[in-house]
Amino acid sequence: AQTVTQSQPEMSVQEAETVTLSCTYDTSESDYYLFWYKQPPSRQMILVIRQEAYKQQNATENRFSVNFQKAAKSFSLKISDSQLGDAAMYFCAYKHNQGGKLIFGQGTELSVKP
Amino acid sequence: GAVVSQHPSRVICKSGTSVKIECRSLDFQATTMFWYRQFPKKSLMLMATSNEGSKATYEQGVEKDKFLINHASLTLSTLTVTSAHPEDSSFYICSASPTDLNIQYFGAGTRLSVL
Repeated sequence: AQTVTQSQPEMSVQEAETVTLSCTYDTSESDYYLFWYKQPPSRQMILVIRQEAYKQQNATENRFSVNFQKAAKSFSLKISDSQLGDAAMYFCAYKHNQGGKLIFGQGTELSVKP
Repeated sequence: GAVVSQHPSRVICKSGTSVKIECRSLDFQATTMFWYRQFPKKSLMLMATSNEGSKATYEQGVEKDKFLINHASLTLSTLTVTSAHPEDSSFYICSASPTDLNIQYFGAGTRLSVL
């Protein structure tokens, strides 16, 4: 069975600095998707970034980028120029291609210090 | 972007009553919808997968007779918590998946408190 592990329950970053959130996963599949979701205090889940496993190029969305290491089954999220609004719970998630459910990691609570 | 509306956002009910939560995809058709439960400071726990026009698929340990799911149209799925008890108090979140099955869009969640 597939699993997703986030080994950092909490992280802290100074405003305007860069922070990296870790995520590892386990799967025997070769065709899948990986996601980072953000859940702010409002508890609305927001898609931050998505990575297709067949793409070697790391996905980027403005200040958010990933380091996707397929062989190592690692999918970290880098947040550059951190802002106060980035404070939230971040969840890493895995999904097999063509249907299938999202499998979430335990989450990392990110705080941003002014 | 795609919008998923979940209603109500907050509900308080007495023990033994039933509560219905609606999940609507506003600007796309959702062939598949998902229902999650989340405890404070914890990850999302998938309860069931709902496919339009067919019976929902429940995760192991989730009572299908207690958590009734109906996906009657391509834009609406409902979760009914029957005979609610205080231990059912939780945060329930739905998500919907459009034609591109590899993205899920989430509703804002429903906080259920059973007295």
